[in-house]
Amino acid sequence: TQLLEQSPQFLSIQEGENLTVYCNSSSVFSSLQWYRQEPGEGPVLLVTVVTGGEVKKLKRLTFQFGDARKDSSLHITAAQPGDTGLYLCATNTGNQFYFGTGTSLTVIP
Amino acid sequence: SAVISQKPSRDICQRGTSLTIQCQVDSQVTMMFWYRQQPGQSLTLIATANQGSEATYESGFVIDKFPISRPNLTFSTLTVSNMSPEDSSIYLCSVEHGQGAGGYTFGSGTRLTVV
Repeated sequence: TQLLEQSPQFLSIQEGENLTVYCNSSSVFSSLQWYRQEPGEGPVLLVTVVTGGEVKKLKRLTFQFGDARKDSSLHITAAQPGDTGLYLCATNTGNQFYFGTGTSLTVIP
Repeated sequence: SAVISQKPSRDICQRGTSLTIQCQVDSQVTMMFWYRQQPGQSLTLIATANQGSEATYESGFVIDKFPISRPNLTFSTLTVSNMSPEDSSIYLCSVEHGQGAGGYTFGSGTRLTVV
């Protein structure tokens, strides 16, 4: 059983389209991070959300933490080929750090 | 945030041999983490390496197969021993991001292929 379930697992869209990636759990978290990983590189931290209902924006990326702090979403507006990569949500619980199941995004020019 | 230099970036190894992966951090860190990742999939924690003590391994990973060294606060190695094709994967090291941001910083990974 995965602590953090992401959906969709795979996503292939045309340049300029919008998309949303979801990260869901039955557990409550004090914070949650989102990472992007490009081929041949390690994951890179995009954002940390800590407050229920919090919304953070990073250029065309909008991150939201659910009111109950059990889920999060990542919305990308007008996707670009440079957004292609593996998107991972992650969280700490106790002394453990868990990654979500991952969403592989391909943006087609 | 910390900068991690990981090497080798990739290797192709013969079955039954061992490969040692190195990670150098540009600052002192208490804990370093080693992960395994199948291409396009999520990361699985192998072990946590603390300086001055034995590494703590996650379920399914053992010291004889994945010995770890942590000689100081800026360096760690992970050895993949007696390799088989099932060990083909990407191996990454990581440290806490620091600066109150939460999250972690990762090395660029080692892509291992066992033939």
